[in-house]
Amino acid sequence: DQQVKQNSPSLSVQEGRISILNCDYTNSMFDYFLWYKKYPAEGPTFLISISSIKDKNEDGRFTVFLNKSAKHLSLHIVPSQPGDSAVYFCAATNAGKSTFGDGTTLTVKP
Amino acid sequence: GAVVSQHPSWVICKSGTSVKIECRSLDFQATTMFWYRQFPKQSLMLMATSNEGSKATYEQGVEKDKFLINHASLTLSTLTVTSAHPEDSSFYICSASVRGLRGNTIYFGEGSWLTVV
Repeated sequence: DQQVKQNSPSLSVQEGRISILNCDYTNSMFDYFLWYKKYPAEGPTFLISISSIKDKNEDGRFTVFLNKSAKHLSLHIVPSQPGDSAVYFCAATNAGKSTFGDGTTLTVKP
Repeated sequence: GAVVSQHPSWVICKSGTSVKIECRSLDFQATTMFWYRQFPKQSLMLMATSNEGSKATYEQGVEKDKFLINHASLTLSTLTVTSAHPEDSSFYICSASVRGLRGNTIYFGEGSWLTVV
């Protein structure tokens, strides 16, 4: 039973437009969520996080939205840049223990 | 600055040797830390929960005799890959959680790349 799912394995957007990456979870006990991106052959770069007591957190071009009733998490990147092209993973945490989704490959076309 | 520091960032070792990776919490005490690994083209997977002063809790399929975890102090957990083999080559990362007024916050280390040759 996969507790954290990223249903879109890939996403392609045009430079300057908005990228929306989605993540669904099943465990209502998750209390902390985060997104990170990964370039090939590199370690993860943590982007943004959100506590379950919030529904939105913004950091520059990155905004994470949390809908607890729907058990849904999304990452908005606006405007998207070619350098944003990477694999994006969401993670949900309960009691400190994080469960990660399988990732979505984002391609931003110039 | 880093809240959780991990060392080394990169390590290459010969097959059959052991490698130790350290995870330190800076400016806070962590009674519990977590170790993850990431194989190519896969997501991070939890390996074990490191408990200060007691035995680590390993996830299913993780060999506890191969991946030794020691959490001797409130600011340091170590992962030792014993008798390393090429298939142990991976990215290893630790995390710790801090409970605050606004809920829990998770901090990850910078990660360690292990290459076994």
